[in-house]
Amino acid sequence: KAGVTQTPRYLIKTRGQQVTLSCSPISGHRSVSWYQQTPGQGLQFLFEYFSETQRNKGNFPGRFSGRQFSNSRSEMNVSTLELGDSALYLCASSLAENDLYGYTFGSGTRLTVV
Amino acid sequence: KNEVEQSPQNLTAQEGEFITINCSYSVGISALHWLQQHPGGGIVSLFMLSSGKKKHGRLIATINIQEKHSSLHITASHPRDSAVYICAVLGDFGNEKLTFGTGTRLTIIP
Repeated sequence: KAGVTQTPRYLIKTRGQQVTLSCSPISGHRSVSWYQQTPGQGLQFLFEYFSETQRNKGNFPGRFSGRQFSNSRSEMNVSTLELGDSALYLCASSLAENDLYGYTFGSGTRLTVV
Repeated sequence: KNEVEQSPQNLTAQEGEFITINCSYSVGISALHWLQQHPGGGIVSLFMLSSGKKKHGRLIATINIQEKHSSLHITASHPRDSAVYICAVLGDFGNEKLTFGTGTRLTIIP
């Protein structure tokens, strides 16, 4: 079966712009979570969606937002990009919101802000 | 102090050696994951544990809930095991989000 699909794979944006990243979960998975990975901070949790509702949010500024659609696909948006937003953004899907069935990760979107 | 601590940060070993990577955490958890990340970024979930021990091929993961400690063991290590191994804990009720360790970079030399 198809895995978790993230698009685009690579993205270059300019400071001040905004960006939207997409994540399509495994068919049947209803929970999607997003993570940021940087060399300095490692992996950090951004937010989690289940049934179109944000269930948990990490410690990121309001410039980072997301949403989930009725087909469980999710998007995250970063507005007013800063150089420090350059990172690998990963999403993961799971059957249930409390992870009892485990996560499957996508390959990530590598965002470079210049 | 980080909520999830891994050791060692870097580990280089000869092919065939027995490998142990440790993870300690300070928060209440409902589950612990061991993840593998290869160059290029893709992450694979190796194990999800809430108690005891799990084995998959040459990989073994254990968790001691009382001591808040988990270990990942690799038997008969192989160069293809070279990757970053990351421990992640899922917080318990009211804190259901993944918190990650900083990772252990493992290099297996042929």
